[in-house]
Amino acid sequence: DVKVTQSSRYLVKRTGEKVFLECVQDMDHENMFWYRQDPGLGLRLIYFSYDVKMKEKGDIPEGYSVSREKKERFSLILESASTNQTSMYLCASSFSPGQGEKLFFGSGTQLSVL
Amino acid sequence: SQKIEQNSEALNIQEGKTATLTCNYTNYSPAYLQWYRQDPGRGPVFLLLIRENEKEKRKERLKVTFDTTLKQSLFHITASQPADSATYLCAPRTSGNTPLVFGKGTRLSVIA
Repeated sequence: DVKVTQSSRYLVKRTGEKVFLECVQDMDHENMFWYRQDPGLGLRLIYFSYDVKMKEKGDIPEGYSVSREKKERFSLILESASTNQTSMYLCASSFSPGQGEKLFFGSGTQLSVL
Repeated sequence: SQKIEQNSEALNIQEGKTATLTCNYTNYSPAYLQWYRQDPGRGPVFLLLIRENEKEKRKERLKVTFDTTLKQSLFHITASQPADSATYLCAPRTSGNTPLVFGKGTRLSVIA
């Protein structure tokens, strides 16, 4: 089975801290994605990557950056955490190219910024 | 702009009945549509994919329809069970390698 592993299930950080969320997948997927999920707003795409060292902005990239140095690992970075970045963060991966590839999600990281 | 609407935020249904969830989309023409299930505190899990040239797709107690004229997909769970209680997300997608965009989901509660 495909496994997408997010490094932390729960994380508590202080305002202004630099935060790293790590995601690793074990199925040699080309595509990787970071979403955040908030009540009433659903899943929103932050950043995605279709290849190593490649990154594209999603719908809400402000305040975030990403790094993909290796194919299996996609990191989300909060440069200076703020309270409005308190959220559930979900990493996903999929095969590419072609239509119909399904996303495999990690279990999520619930981040609280105090 | 593209819009995805899952009509009910929450749906309560008696065990054994058929649950029907709706996904409507506007301002684009998806080549296919995916449905996911999400349990509280977990990531979504893929359930079914239906293509634009398919009217209906079944998997065990699940059935999905796709009406490109109405711009709508219906997701049915027959003989629903309390274990089916979860949030269900739809994700219509155009061809190519664009990222998946999700509806906000419908929270289904199956009451014993």
